[in-house]
Amino acid sequence: EAGVTQSPTHLIKTRGQQATLRCSPISGHTSVYWYQQALGLGLQFLLWYDEGEERNRGNFPPRFSGRQFPNYSSELNVNALELEDSALYLCASSPVGELFFGEGSRLTVL
Amino acid sequence: AQSVTQLDSHVSVSEGTPVLLRCNYSSSYSPSLFWYVQHPNKGLQLLLKYTSAATLVKGINGFEAEFKKSETSFHLTKPSAHMSDAAEYFCVVITLHASGGSYIPTFGRGTSLIVHP
Repeated sequence: EAGVTQSPTHLIKTRGQQATLRCSPISGHTSVYWYQQALGLGLQFLLWYDEGEERNRGNFPPRFSGRQFPNYSSELNVNALELEDSALYLCASSPVGELFFGEGSRLTVL
Repeated sequence: AQSVTQLDSHVSVSEGTPVLLRCNYSSSYSPSLFWYVQHPNKGLQLLLKYTSAATLVKGINGFEAEFKKSETSFHLTKPSAHMSDAAEYFCVVITLHASGGSYIPTFGRGTSLIVHP
């Protein structure tokens, strides 16, 4: 069984640009969570999608957005990139009550 | 509401000695508790989980944890550390509502385990 896959593995952008990160959940999982892991800050909850709808979002500005597609895959978009957006972005899929993580997408903003 | 506190940001042990990583939680309902491990520049891997069955939970790689409701703790232990155990460890709580929904999983800030030869 394939695990959670994320792409790209690494992404380098400059300030003001936009970044798009993608996540494919484990087959049969309808929930997708996005977390930001910046250096020294632990895992910060970004977004939760379930059955195609945004269920909750963390304390992040509106330039962080996303969506979930009918096949339950998900996109995270970050607009107007700032230097502090540099982080590992982790996606997790969930049946109910457990998280299965991908390997993450490393975003570097120069 | 729910929260998780990992009591140590860093734990340093010698190879072959016991490991203890401490986690306290708070939850309004019956929680599910997890420990995840993260090696550098990798995703998180599930070590073990407690979901209201046996209070002593055995996980992968020789780790285990004991759920103590009276102490609101879920400490992670291993009898003998190995160099490959050096990593970041996260304690996570998920509370399921009586209605079947759940809170957002809440992560502790992580404990960095350092293993000396």
